[in-house]
Amino acid sequence: QSALTQEASVSGTVGQKVTLSCTGNSNNIGSYAVGWYQQISHGAPKTVMFGNSLPSGIPDRFSGSKSGTTASLTISGLQPEDEADYYCSTWDYSLSAVVFGGGTKLTVL
Amino acid sequence: EVQLVESGGGLVQPGGSLRLSCAASGFTFSDHYMDWVRQAPGKGLEWVGRTRNKANSYTTEYAASVKGRFTISRDDSKNSLYLQMNSLKTEDTAVYYCARVGGTTVTTHWGQGTLVTVSS
Repeated sequence: QSALTQEASVSGTVGQKVTLSCTGNSNNIGSYAVGWYQQISHGAPKTVMFGNSLPSGIPDRFSGSKSGTTASLTISGLQPEDEADYYCSTWDYSLSAVVFGGGTKLTVL
Repeated sequence: EVQLVESGGGLVQPGGSLRLSCAASGFTFSDHYMDWVRQAPGKGLEWVGRTRNKANSYTTEYAASVKGRFTISRDDSKNSLYLQMNSLKTEDTAVYYCARVGGTTVTTHWGQGTLVTVSS
C-alpha cells in the first residue's frame, strides 16, 4: 500500500479538462512540495510538475496545485499524447524517505 | 541539457552483488541531491534512496526494503552517482533510475534506466 493515494484510473476525451489527485498527510504533502511524473508505456518517467513549477518543454496545459494534504495535477485541453501513467511523490519527514503514489492510468478516449 | 545515463545492470544470482553507475552532465552535479528509484515489472515507482550534497555532508537515506544491503555513493569530481547492491533478492528485480533532485526536494530529471534481473 502506497503512502500517497491516487486514483487507479481516470479517463477523458480530447479537449476535456481532467484533474488527478494525490492525497497524503501532514508529514508529507502537508509539509513539502509535490512532484508529478508522466510515464508512457513503461518508458522512463518525465517530470511534468515540481511544486508549482512547470519544467521546460512541458505544455502549459499542465498545472499543479495543493490544498492541505492533497495535491492535484490538472490537464486542460487533453491531448492523445497525454495518455500515460502519472505518479506523484514528495518527501516524508516522519519516514525520512521519499514516498510515491500508486499511480493513475490516464486514458484519452 | 541535463543528462543522466545509468549503466551496470544485468543478470545476477540471488545473494549476489552488482554496482550501478550514473553519469551526469549538463548541470552542476555537486550542488544537487541525487536519488535512485526503481520499478519492478508491471509495478509502480519505488524510491530506493538518496544522497545529499557536500553542503549537507553527503548524508544518505534508504528505503526500509534495501537498508543494510544497498549503499549510495557519489564522486563529484567525476559527476557520477553509484548504487552498490549486495545480498540481492529476486524482489530486487527492476529497472533502476537515477534521478536529480531539485531545490524543492522533488525530482526534476530522470535517466533512461538500467535493468537488474535477480534470478537463478
